[in-house]
Amino acid sequence: DTAVSQTPKYLVTQMGNDKSIKCEQNLGHDTMYWYKQDSKKFLKIMFSYNNKELIINETVPNRFSPKSPDKAHLNLHINSLELGDSAVYFCASSPGTSLRGETQYFGPGTRLLVL
Amino acid sequence: AQKVTQAQTEISVVEKEDVTLDCVYETRDTTYYLFWYKQPPSGELVFLIRRNSFDEQNEISGRYSWNFQKSTSSFNFTITASQVVDSAVYFCALPTAFSSNTGKLIFGQGTTLQVKP
Repeated sequence: DTAVSQTPKYLVTQMGNDKSIKCEQNLGHDTMYWYKQDSKKFLKIMFSYNNKELIINETVPNRFSPKSPDKAHLNLHINSLELGDSAVYFCASSPGTSLRGETQYFGPGTRLLVL
Repeated sequence: AQKVTQAQTEISVVEKEDVTLDCVYETRDTTYYLFWYKQPPSGELVFLIRRNSFDEQNEISGRYSWNFQKSTSSFNFTITASQVVDSAVYFCALPTAFSSNTGKLIFGQGTTLQVKP
């Protein structure tokens, strides 16, 4: 059984398009995250939701909009795609948030290429 | 500010060699966890270990071991008798500050390990 799943796995699209990436977790976790991994493998958090409430919103262009319909799902919608948005986007989940750090479990990643 | 430094960008070893991946961190918290993740060539991120700052005993799991030293703010990862399947990018991570209860992790830059046959 897949714990954290993302769709699609690959996404190739033209500049200016709008696209969405979906994420689902079946671990019963309360907290979900979106990370961006650039071409140099640097991982940076973008957003986090805890029980459908946005708790982390890093400095991300407002073309990126997360949506959490329930605590098992966290989707990422990107408007007006730009070349610089090309990256791997990872979804992750954790049991909750704690001051010392909860283990985050990652999805397989979505490889986005903007042409 | 919280910071994680993995100074080794790339390491190349021959199969069966032992290899240590370094992780140095900065934190103003007195209690915290540290993490290691593995990213094989297939691209997924695999959780390896979460370590409590209270426990400085070495952790061993098969060929993997972790050495946590609070005095030097280091959490190093050793692979004994490396195998080709160990080839991956390895990330060390640290939660953000105590006052920020968001679950946010700060990742190091990653160390690419190549194990040659």
